[in-house]
Amino acid sequence: GVTQSPTHLIKTRGQQVTLRCSSQSGHNTVSWYQQALGQGPQFIFQYYREEENGRGNFPPRFSGLQFPNDSSELNVNALELDDSALYLCASSLQGTIEQYFGPGTRLTVT
Amino acid sequence: DQQVKQNSPSLSVQEGRISILNCDYTNSMFDYFLWYKKYPAEGPTFLISISSIKDKNEDGRFTVFLNKSAKHLSLHIVPSQPGDSAVYFCAASNRNALNFGKGTSLLVTP
Repeated sequence: GVTQSPTHLIKTRGQQVTLRCSSQSGHNTVSWYQQALGQGPQFIFQYYREEENGRGNFPPRFSGLQFPNDSSELNVNALELDDSALYLCASSLQGTIEQYFGPGTRLTVT
Repeated sequence: DQQVKQNSPSLSVQEGRISILNCDYTNSMFDYFLWYKKYPAEGPTFLISISSIKDKNEDGRFTVFLNKSAKHLSLHIVPSQPGDSAVYFCAASNRNALNFGKGTSLLVTP
């Protein structure tokens, strides 16, 4: 399945953070979502063949990487208090609709 | 603006009865609709999907109905079981992004 690390993270406003994801074996597409408390997940961006393949309404300080070994990263610079949320990674096969989610990383910004 | 809406934050149903979860959307360009189930401390789990060219899709106890003219879909669970107690998210696919509603918390009581 899809795994994410770390499980929980506490950062201070202005810092930078890197979250990691390992996709399901055989999947070539990874998407990242932000889920604030009481809300549904919101699409941040998607990567396919190590290139960004679509982006939601998030500022450039949210960036990502996808590696050839099925792993990926979400980087957030200049953290703000509103960045506190559950960050979900989802993997899929390009051309299919279903995305398979990891357990998420809970980020708290103080 | 919320393109996918789940107007019922919670629903309580007796074991063995039918659970009906509803979802409305505003964007007629959505081509697939999906339902996910989420337990606490876990990522969303894919349940069932439906193409915009169909009006019904069934998988075991789960059936999704799509009414395109009303921009409305529903998930029926029959019979409901205590293990179905979770938050259910409706999602709509727009190219590579999934647009989620805020979720409905289902409680199935014995």
